[in-house]
Amino acid sequence: ILNVEQSPQSLHVQEGDSTNFTCSFPSSNFYALHWYRWETAKSPEALFVMTLNGDEKKKGRISATLNTKEGYSYLYIKGSQPEDSATYLCALKMKTSYDKVIFGPGTSLSVIP
Amino acid sequence: DGGITQSPKYLFRKEGQNVTLSCEQNLNHDAMYWYRQDPGQGLRLIYYSQIVNDFQKGDIAEGYSVSREKKESFPLTVTSAQKNPTAFYLCASSIDTTGNSYNEQFFGPGTRLTVL
Repeated sequence: ILNVEQSPQSLHVQEGDSTNFTCSFPSSNFYALHWYRWETAKSPEALFVMTLNGDEKKKGRISATLNTKEGYSYLYIKGSQPEDSATYLCALKMKTSYDKVIFGPGTSLSVIP
Repeated sequence: DGGITQSPKYLFRKEGQNVTLSCEQNLNHDAMYWYRQDPGQGLRLIYYSQIVNDFQKGDIAEGYSVSREKKESFPLTVTSAQKNPTAFYLCASSIDTTGNSYNEQFFGPGTRLTVL
């Protein structure tokens, strides 16, 4: 089973700090890498869908990059706000006979006002 | 509004009983998925289905069963054979995967199952 890893497991930052976390994977045999944000008491929601080596995506203060050759993706949050507090999941949509999706364990972010 | 519904939100079951968790979507998505989350762990895939009347085992299918008789519905049965069923269960769906295999998943609100 392919292992998708995320680091750190949890993170506490002050409001206004910028932060980043990592999703790493051993194989590039996937269609896409997805980043999801999962806020407490809500459903996970997709942030970014990344497909190509060198992809960079941005949504407001949040951005992500993908490096398939070295097997990682970074998620950056600029000027963290309390509403950014959530668990951030990355997932790979694998190239298998059925399009299996493998999730990493997530990074839990707490932004302290 | 389009979306995914799961019911019930909380479910209590006596040990040895089977229980079925409901998942319905009106997004016209072909693919549907069931995940389990345990404290401190990521989402683990139980079963997934790409089309009606077809489904595949995920990584932790033992003790679970599913059906996909309608496009909109993908119920999960937790059987008495599942040794540790207490967990949070999430259902998800995505657009047809055959032509656009990068499409993200849309999630329901989840069901928390507790075995007493």
